[in-house]
Amino acid sequence: TQLLEQSPQFLSIQEGENLTVYCNSSSVFSSLQWYRQEPGEGPVLLVTVVTGGEVKKLKRLTFQFGDARKDSSLHITAAQPGDTGLYLCAGPLNNNNDMRFGAGTRLTVKP
Amino acid sequence: DVKVTQSSRYLVKRTGEKVFLECVQDMDHENMFWYRQDPGLGLRLIYFSYDVKMKEKGDIPEGYSVSREKKERFSLILESASTNQTSMYLCASIGDRYSNQPQHFGDGTRLSIL
Repeated sequence: TQLLEQSPQFLSIQEGENLTVYCNSSSVFSSLQWYRQEPGEGPVLLVTVVTGGEVKKLKRLTFQFGDARKDSSLHITAAQPGDTGLYLCAGPLNNNNDMRFGAGTRLTVKP
Repeated sequence: DVKVTQSSRYLVKRTGEKVFLECVQDMDHENMFWYRQDPGLGLRLIYFSYDVKMKEKGDIPEGYSVSREKKERFSLILESASTNQTSMYLCASIGDRYSNQPQHFGDGTRLSIL
């Protein structure tokens, strides 16, 4: 069982559509991070959310941290082919910031 | 710019061989990590190191060992490779592990054990 459950596992949409992907846990996290990984590369950090209820925007990407700090969502508006990739959420297992990762959502945006 | 370099992008080895995966970072980071990434399972932590000559087991250390003789270099060793160790291996580093700093990843080594 994954500490962080991500859904959906796969998502294929047309350019211009909106989408939301989710990262859920039964555990409370002091923070959550979202990474994007493109083929042949390592994950790259998109954002860190720290406060329950926090919303952060990165251009067309909106990240939200749940009030109880057990879940997070990523919403993409008007998806572009360049958004294609594997989206991973990660959270610290303990105060030492030893990160644990979800299995990811593989997003494909078709032109 | 931050750089984590893994020595090989692709590697093919045979069952029973001793395999070394090398990772070097140029950021003077104290903390380094080895993960394996498999479809549907995400990144799973194998080993990590908080300082030179220090190592800690992650979630799946069986069949692996590590070496950290110098701060910038963290090696993952498969003592006797098996086919179930075929995977993508990712190395990462971080400066302050008590902060919300991002982990900086290498581009990965795709290892196939035949």
